[in-house]
Amino acid sequence: NAGVTQTPKFQVLKTGQSMTLQCAQDMNHNSMYWYRQDPGMGLRLIYYSASEGTTDKGEVPNGYNVSRLNKREFSLRLESAAPSQTSVYFCASSVSTSGAYEQYFGPGTRLTVT
Amino acid sequence: QKEVEQNSGPLSVPEGAIASLNCTYSDRGSQSFFWYRQYSGKSPELIMFIYSNGDKEDGRFTAQLNKASQYVSLLIRDSQPSDSATYLCAVNRPPNQAGTALIFGKGTTLSVSS
Repeated sequence: NAGVTQTPKFQVLKTGQSMTLQCAQDMNHNSMYWYRQDPGMGLRLIYYSASEGTTDKGEVPNGYNVSRLNKREFSLRLESAAPSQTSVYFCASSVSTSGAYEQYFGPGTRLTVT
Repeated sequence: QKEVEQNSGPLSVPEGAIASLNCTYSDRGSQSFFWYRQYSGKSPELIMFIYSNGDKEDGRFTAQLNKASQYVSLLIRDSQPSDSATYLCAVNRPPNQAGTALIFGKGTTLSVSS
């Protein structure tokens, strides 16, 4: 199993450009998440999908959209990138074990917006 | 009051010592508590989780939970230089169900010297 995979690994965008970050998991998990991680701010939830066909806003959704394409894939789109969106983006998926929903992370996408 | 608080460190311990990492949380409704390890430039990796008061041991790691004090800790016995990383405490945002979000602390940096 590859676990959670993300593409691309690195990306540089100019302000105003758009792009889609791709995430896929092969662990048959129902729930998937997008986080961003910034120095001094920790991990913050952007959007999540509790199950296929549903998506919900997290803590910092402004400037982003998501699509839960199927059970495996959950993409994050930046329609008009801004320098404030320079960050490391992590996708995660979760499974319930003994009542705790453990989250497993992908390797991340390092995005720079100039 | 911040939702999940950790001392940012750095916490420095000699090789072979016990490292003690602490975390407090504000929402008494939280039910699941997680510890992640993150090496520089890498994604968070789940070490263990706990949801019952008391201790839970897994190899050299012990998680401790005290819900009355809203306190979670991670003990690392026989610390190794390879344990040098940032340790993230995470707590579920109630209710504990599919798609439940995790709230992360900003992490404690551990440095183990040989």
